[in-house]
Amino acid sequence: ETGVTQSPTHLIKTRGQQVTLRCSSQSGHNTVSWYQQALGQGPQFIFQYYREEENGRGNFPPRFSGLQFPNYSSELNVNALELDDSALYLCASSPTGGWEETQYFGPGTRLLVL
Amino acid sequence: GQSLEQPSEVTAVEGAIVQINCTYQTSGFYGLSWYQQHDGGAPTFLSYNALDGLEETGRFSSFLSRSDSYGYLLLQELQMKDSASYFCAVRVLKAAGNKLTFGGGTRVLVKP
Repeated sequence: ETGVTQSPTHLIKTRGQQVTLRCSSQSGHNTVSWYQQALGQGPQFIFQYYREEENGRGNFPPRFSGLQFPNYSSELNVNALELDDSALYLCASSPTGGWEETQYFGPGTRLLVL
Repeated sequence: GQSLEQPSEVTAVEGAIVQINCTYQTSGFYGLSWYQQHDGGAPTFLSYNALDGLEETGRFSSFLSRSDSYGYLLLQELQMKDSASYFCAVRVLKAAGNKLTFGGGTRVLVKP
């Protein structure tokens, strides 16, 4: 069974640029959630995808957008990067997004915006 | 909205017992999860409580009291490798799937 994988592991961008982060869910999981974790804080929910549809969104502006593909992998896109977007971006998957299910996290992508 | 409170830091020696408390305020509470995160690593699932009571998984146990909006994670027989941040996270019954709302984390430092 393959766990959650993310790419790239690290990324440096400048303010105003755009970035795409990628996530492959754990084998057999069709639900992917994205979280932003600033240094020294807990992860904050960005949005969740279930069967290629957005299934809930946290308090993030529209310049944070996402996609889920038929193989359940997912992308997080951030436009017009700001310095405060510097954080660890975590992807988590679960089998079907059900209430009783545990989410399993990938290693994250560390984004630095200069 | 939801809010979770947990201590920011705890220090203990090897072999000791540490209890990390978590109080929460939320509507539609469904369950409380605990995750461990080593520096530079991913959050790793430790335990989950949906019902009142104690759940034991090896050296780690988790407790929930729904009436008190309170839970704790108990780390026993502390080892150096337990030095990490520990997060409580609530699951809430809303339309947004099974999203997690995390506390700010408790940094546990284990000393020899």
